[in-house]
Amino acid sequence: NAGVMQNPRHLVRRRGQEARLRCSPMKGHSHVYWYRQLPEEGLKFMVYLQKENIIDESGMPKERFSAEFPKEGPSILRIQQVVRGDSAAYFCASSPRRSGRDNQPQHFGDGTRLSIL
Amino acid sequence: DAKTTQPTSMDCAEGRAANLPCNHSTISGNEYVYWYRQIHSQGPQYIIHGLKNNETNEMASLIITEDRKSSTLILPHATLRDTAVYYCIVRVEGNQGGKLIFGQGTELSVKP
Repeated sequence: NAGVMQNPRHLVRRRGQEARLRCSPMKGHSHVYWYRQLPEEGLKFMVYLQKENIIDESGMPKERFSAEFPKEGPSILRIQQVVRGDSAAYFCASSPRRSGRDNQPQHFGDGTRLSIL
Repeated sequence: DAKTTQPTSMDCAEGRAANLPCNHSTISGNEYVYWYRQIHSQGPQYIIHGLKNNETNEMASLIITEDRKSSTLILPHATLRDTAVYYCIVRVEGNQGGKLIFGQGTELSVKP
């Protein structure tokens, strides 16, 4: 029973390039959450998606960042025109339904480490 | 969601019980207590959660005080692999966003 799969595990980009981070939720999970962990800091919520819908994007930076979770395929976190400050670990979590409802915890992947040169 | 307070760090001898406290004095009646841990360079790992009754699973036990203003996570026989940052999070049932709000957590060091 595979867990949350994230790829790539490590991603190196130069300033100004685009970064695409992928997340495949656990089987049977239709809710996805993205978090960011800056160096030496705690995890911060970014965005919560259901299939084809963004439910809460209150933690997403206003520019350059976007997320999607299409009907088919993984969830994608996209960062355009990356800057040094985007260097961080990006974690994806999934739950079978809205986390909190019916006590369904979120389960996390092992993250993508993004490094900006 | 209610705010939690945890000690910054703790040590525990291998084989002994690790008791990690968490204060959540402003918790509401419909907020659950969740515990996660993060081992270095890995994603957070769900451990256990509860509302008001004590809970136990294969990983740990969760003891919640009667007034629900604090709780303790117990790892009954700590091993070196339990060295991690432990996060106590309270969140409301039906939270629209579903998000988890992580604090700084407790850095637990299990020593031989």
